[in-house]
Parts: sequence; C-alpha cells; structure tokens
Amino acid sequence: QFQLVQSGPEVQKPGSSVRVSCSTSGGTFSSYTFNWVRQAPGQGLEWMGRIIPILGTSNYAQKFQGRVTFTADKSTNTAYMEVTSLTSEDTAVFYCARSLGSAHFLDYWGQGTLVTVSS
Amino acid sequence: DIQMTQSPSSLSASVGDSVTITCQASHDISNYLNWYQQKPGKAPNLLIYHASSLHIGVPSRFSGSGSGTDFTFTITNLQPEDFATYYCQQYDDHLITFGQGTRLDIK
Repeated sequence: QFQLVQSGPEVQKPGSSVRVSCSTSGGTFSSYTFNWVRQAPGQGLEWMGRIIPILGTSNYAQKFQGRVTFTADKSTNTAYMEVTSLTSEDTAVFYCARSLGSAHFLDYWGQGTLVTVSS
Repeated sequence: DIQMTQSPSSLSASVGDSVTITCQASHDISNYLNWYQQKPGKAPNLLIYHASSLHIGVPSRFSGSGSGTDFTFTITNLQPEDFATYYCQQYDDHLITFGQGTRLDIK
C-alpha cells in the first residue's frame, strides 16, 4: 500500500526557515512527481509547485518562487520542501501529494504538516 | 495565469438529495480538470480526474462532466459522509490551480 508520511508539526520564528519532509513507502520513488500544497487556517488549497526527482527538475508557482526550494533524496525515498524568510502569513498546513509521470492529478496525499510562525 | 471560478462557495442539502458544483476556467483547458473532497483536519482525496473519470474506490454517486472551460461535479443520493468541502483543480501549461472550494453542509 503506497503511503506518503510527512514530518511533524513545527513552530518557527518570523524570519527563520523551515524544512518539511515527505517520505514514501510501498512504491518506486523515482516514478513519481511530488507536489506541495499550502492551506492556511480556514482557507483553500494553494499549489506551491512540484519536483520531478528522476529529472532533477522543479516548477514553482510564481507566488513562491525565490522563497521555496524543493529537493529529493533518492537514497532515502524522501522529498523535501524548504521555505525561507517565514512570516505569520506562512502559518499553514503543508501537504505533499503524488502525481504519476506527466499526470496532472494528485492521487495520494501526505497527512499534512502544520507550520506555525510565531514570535 | 489561468483563473478558476468555482461556485457556489457553500450550499446546504439533505441526505438523499443531489447537488451540483461548477468550475469555470478562464481559457480552454481541455479535460485537465479534477475534483477533490476534503474533510476537516484531513488531507484532500481525489474523486474525479480528467473531468469525468472516477478514481479507484470512489462511489458511483460521484460524477463529473465538461471540457474546455465549463465543468460540473454532481453527487446524487447524498450520504452523511459526503458533507465536506470540495475543490476543483486544473492543469495548464505545467501549472496547477485550485478552485476556491465549495462547503457542503447538512440542511
């Protein structure tokens, strides 16, 4: 059974950075694309971008370009998202979600990681 | 960038009712339109992909249709577990955009 398991909740201070991990089990890591989605409290879903580990390429939504970095470690089957220069507006649940190859739908999701930015 | 307009933002219905949600894209996206269900405190779940294909394990009371710019999502014979928030999601030029969401409440 394929699963995405994300790292635990984080509390960070404004101006700092946070890295969230997303590990896979039950599948072939290099076959997948990993998308990242942000959801602020009480708000909708916001796609941040994706990383394609087999190609080593990433796409970023314009809003997050320059402040967000996606990486992937094929040796540990884990994808990462780092956000720098955190502000209170970054308080949100961050999800990783899988898509297959060039598919445009997100068929498996991690459980979400709550990041709280507070002084 | 493409804009997605999802409506209504909320609606109320009773068990056994049918409901329809619409999503409109600002330009032609073929059938690159998907639908998700999200319950409070949980990750979204894929229900419909390619506008009308039912994801594995999703009950047949869920359906989707449309292509180009106008899409609809319908739930027939509403069940208690269907009361949740629903999102459309489009794919265009390598970018993904979600609709604003529709909260479905019990009347």
